[in-house]
Amino acid sequence: DIQMTQSPSSLSASLGDRVTITCRASQDIGNYLTWFQQKPGKSPRRMIYGATNLAAGVPSRFSGSRSGSDYSLTISSLESEDVADYHCLQSIQWTFGGGTKLELK
Amino acid sequence: EVQLKESGPGLVQPSQTLSLTCTVSGFSLTDYSVHWVRQPPGKGLEWMGVMWSGGSTAYNSALKSRLSISRDTSKSQVFLKMNSLQTEDTAIYYCTRGQLSYWGQGVMVTVSS
Repeated sequence: DIQMTQSPSSLSASLGDRVTITCRASQDIGNYLTWFQQKPGKSPRRMIYGATNLAAGVPSRFSGSRSGSDYSLTISSLESEDVADYHCLQSIQWTFGGGTKLELK
Repeated sequence: EVQLKESGPGLVQPSQTLSLTCTVSGFSLTDYSVHWVRQPPGKGLEWMGVMWSGGSTAYNSALKSRLSISRDTSKSQVFLKMNSLQTEDTAIYYCTRGQLSYWGQGVMVTVSS
């Protein structure tokens, strides 16, 4: 089975900070990687698909990238509305990462 | 407008079977897949399985022996059945379309006697 190791599990950052969350795939998944944002009490929202493509309506401060088996979600300048949990998903065998809780410092 | 809505019992007794329904609108089940994803309280997301648009299914290997997904295209409904429930199956259960671009609001299921 393909494992997705997401790091960090929690992150505290200040407004305006550049924030990066990473998922490492245990096997080749190509660009079959999606990032989700989930706010408390809400359903997940797709943010990035195909590793690097911004989903409709997502602010341009969000971006996705890939380096080998490492996939990253970056927020270029953190805003208060970005406080949430973030999850990655590989869609070869459909496995989520463990999630990252992003809080304000 | 694309919509998905989960429905089912909020409480299930241990060892019993969970039955959930996902009712969709704004698209056809023969054009898009529908996935089931669950989330235990305070924990991460777990992919459970999928009903592909062509009618075939795929399941999480850890749940495969207990899980069944079916559909009624005439009613725009996808069904999840999972047997031998235990307390660790307590979770919010979501249905979601296609590349998980649209999600239902989720339904909380508690397994308890």
